[in-house]
Amino acid sequence: EPEVTQTPSHQVTQMGQEVILRCVPISNHLYFYWYRQILGQKVEFLVSFYNNEISEKSEIFDDQFSVERPDGSNFTLKIRSTKLEDSAMYFCASSDKGTGTYEQYFGPGTRLTVT
Amino acid sequence: AQKITQTQPGMFVQEKEAVTLDCTYDTSDPSYGLFWYKQPSSGEMIFLIYQGSYDQQNATEGRYSLNFQKARKSANLVISASQLGDSAMYFCAMREAYTDKLIFGTGTRLQVFP
Repeated sequence: EPEVTQTPSHQVTQMGQEVILRCVPISNHLYFYWYRQILGQKVEFLVSFYNNEISEKSEIFDDQFSVERPDGSNFTLKIRSTKLEDSAMYFCASSDKGTGTYEQYFGPGTRLTVT
Repeated sequence: AQKITQTQPGMFVQEKEAVTLDCTYDTSDPSYGLFWYKQPSSGEMIFLIYQGSYDQQNATEGRYSLNFQKARKSANLVISASQLGDSAMYFCAMREAYTDKLIFGTGTRLQVFP
C-alpha cells in the first residue's frame, strides 16, 4: 500500500541552525501538508501546498518557515533559524481530492529536537 | 473558541468490550468533514474513519463506527470488540469547506486492559 515517508526520523539541532525536513508524498497525490505536534499537545496545521505554491498557512508558519517541492517526488519544510520552541514532531501529509473524502495520509513524522 | 472538543483525556476499556470516544465540533459551514485518527506510542498518525456533513448514514470501517449527530454537533467514535492493540491516542479532526487544513482536538488516550 502506498505511504508517505519522512526523513530523518529524528533530528537534533542547535538553536539558530537551519534544518530541512524531507517528505515523499504518495505518488499520485497533488496536495501536500505540514503539521506539527509539540510533545503532549494536539496536532497543529502549518501549511498546505498545491500546484507548486502555498495554498494556506497558519500563523505559526512565519518567515522562518518555507516549503518547497524541489523535484517530482520530494516535499520539504525548511526552518531557517531554529528556536527551542520549534522542538516538536513534524508530520507531512498528502491527499488526493479525487477520492471525495479528502483524507489526508500522514507520514510517520520527524521528531525535531532543538538544543 | 475551540473548534473540536474532546472532553475525555483518558479512557479505560476491557478487552472485547465496546468503547465510545467523544468529540464535539463547532462550525457554521454547512459543508465539512470529520475524521478520526489513531496515534500509537510509536507516533504515527493512522486514519481510521471519515464522515461528511451531508452523509445520510453513519460511517463504519470494520470495528470502527462514527456516531454522527449533526444537530448536537457531535461525532463520537465507537470501537467495538476492543483489542489490546487499540491502546493509543485518538484524535478527532475537522475540515471545513473551502479549506484543506485539518483542525484537531486535544485527543483521548485509550487504554485497553485484559
